[in-house]
Amino acid sequence: GAVVSQHPSRVICKSGTSVKIECRSLDFQATTMFWYRQFPKQSLMLMATSNEGSKATYEQGVEKDKFLINHASLTLSTLTVTSAHPEDSSFYICRATGNTEAFFGQGTRLTVV
Amino acid sequence: QKEVEQNSGPLSVPEGAIASLNCTYSDRGSQSFFWYRQYSGKSPELIMFIYSNGDKEDGRFTAQLNKASQYVSLLIRDSQPSDSATYLCAVMGRVAGNMLTFGGGTRLMVKP
Repeated sequence: GAVVSQHPSRVICKSGTSVKIECRSLDFQATTMFWYRQFPKQSLMLMATSNEGSKATYEQGVEKDKFLINHASLTLSTLTVTSAHPEDSSFYICRATGNTEAFFGQGTRLTVV
Repeated sequence: QKEVEQNSGPLSVPEGAIASLNCTYSDRGSQSFFWYRQYSGKSPELIMFIYSNGDKEDGRFTAQLNKASQYVSLLIRDSQPSDSATYLCAVMGRVAGNMLTFGGGTRLMVKP
């Protein structure tokens, strides 16, 4: 079974609304969570890195006020896309790492209409 | 120059043939190298990782690493139609924290 549970798997939202994506590590403590975005036919682009209890570190060009990341516990991290616009439509994937483990979540297909 | 480069493909091979996927990286200090398979609309799944120069075999898959040439490859023997997917090369560098840098991926098509 999945060791990193990501949901929702798909979400359609109206432009201007916010969407929260959750990633939970089920069998290990995720000390670090990486959040990626993947546009069609492109590779995974790292958006931000978060360590439990610390503020996330965002990659260049990623707006921290638009993509809010919370990693308040060792088993849960959330990414909130605020005031979503059609250009935010993408496949969002988390990757959780612990002492020896590293697993991707199942991904979230976000469509903003 | 991209940090991790792959030919986007598609690479088309007949069923039963050997598929050879290649990847080059720019950071000479990179430590670990990973191959992921990604089916359309799904998240990547780890196939293999390699740390040391040379070959590493796991079933039908062989990863090859040449740090001097900054080159890593994945060979898939006896290719099956179910191997048709995008293969992502990922590199973990000297910076701590398990961060991976991904290549653009190579789309493999195995034709029956």
